[in-house]
Amino acid sequence: GESVGLHLPTLSVQEGDNSIINCAYSNSASDYFIWYKQESGKGPQFIIDIRSNMDKRQGQRVTVLLNKTVKHLSLQIAATQPGDSAVYFCAEKSVEYGNKLVFGAGTILRVKS
Amino acid sequence: EPEVTQTPSHQVTQMGQEVILRCVPISNHLYFYWYRQILGQKVEFLVSFYNNEISEKSEIFDDQFSVERPDGSNFTLKIRSTKLEDSAMYFCASSEPWDREGYTFGSGTRLTVV
Repeated sequence: GESVGLHLPTLSVQEGDNSIINCAYSNSASDYFIWYKQESGKGPQFIIDIRSNMDKRQGQRVTVLLNKTVKHLSLQIAATQPGDSAVYFCAEKSVEYGNKLVFGAGTILRVKS
Repeated sequence: EPEVTQTPSHQVTQMGQEVILRCVPISNHLYFYWYRQILGQKVEFLVSFYNNEISEKSEIFDDQFSVERPDGSNFTLKIRSTKLEDSAMYFCASSEPWDREGYTFGSGTRLTVV
C-alpha cells in the first residue's frame, strides 16, 4: 500500500551538532522524494528533494541520502541551529500513484542551546 | 518569492454548516492540491486538480467535499456539512507538472468544528 513512515518521532540535538532524521518508505515504485520542514502554525516548507536515480544530494547545510535497496531516506543537517527546530516530513511520489505526495508521520527535531 | 496564500487562517464553524476554504495558488502553476493535517498527525492528500477538473482524489474526499476554480486565480475547497472529525489544518498547494522544487504549500487554514 501507500505508506511512508519514520523511525523516530522525536530527536533532540545540541546546537552545533549534526542531525540525522530517518524515513522508511514502502513503495518501491516511488521515484521522487522530498523533505519538508514544518514550523508551528505554518505549512510544509520544501528543504531538499532527490530522484530515484540518485543516492545523494546536497544542499546548503543539508544532505539527503537515498538507499533504494532497503527503501530508506535520510536527512542530514550540519551544524544544527535553534532555527532548525521543527517537524520534518519525508514525502514520496510515484507515477503509479499519480502526482500526489504521500507523507510520512513526521519527526520532531528539538535543538538545545 | 511566489507564495500560495490561504484565507482565512482560522475558521470556526458549527457542525453541519458549510465552509469554504480559499486559496490563491502561484500564478504560473498548473496543478493544485488540497491536503489536510489532523493535529499531531501526518499530512494527508485530499484532492488534486488540473485543467479545471479533479485529476485524483483520496478516500477522505467524499461527497461532502468539492473543489472549484471559480476564476483565474482562486482555488476553493468546500465542505458541505461539516463534522467534528473535519477539524484539521487544511493546506493548499500548487506545482508545475514535474516541478523539481516540489510543491509550494500555503500556510494553511485551521478549521475547528464545534
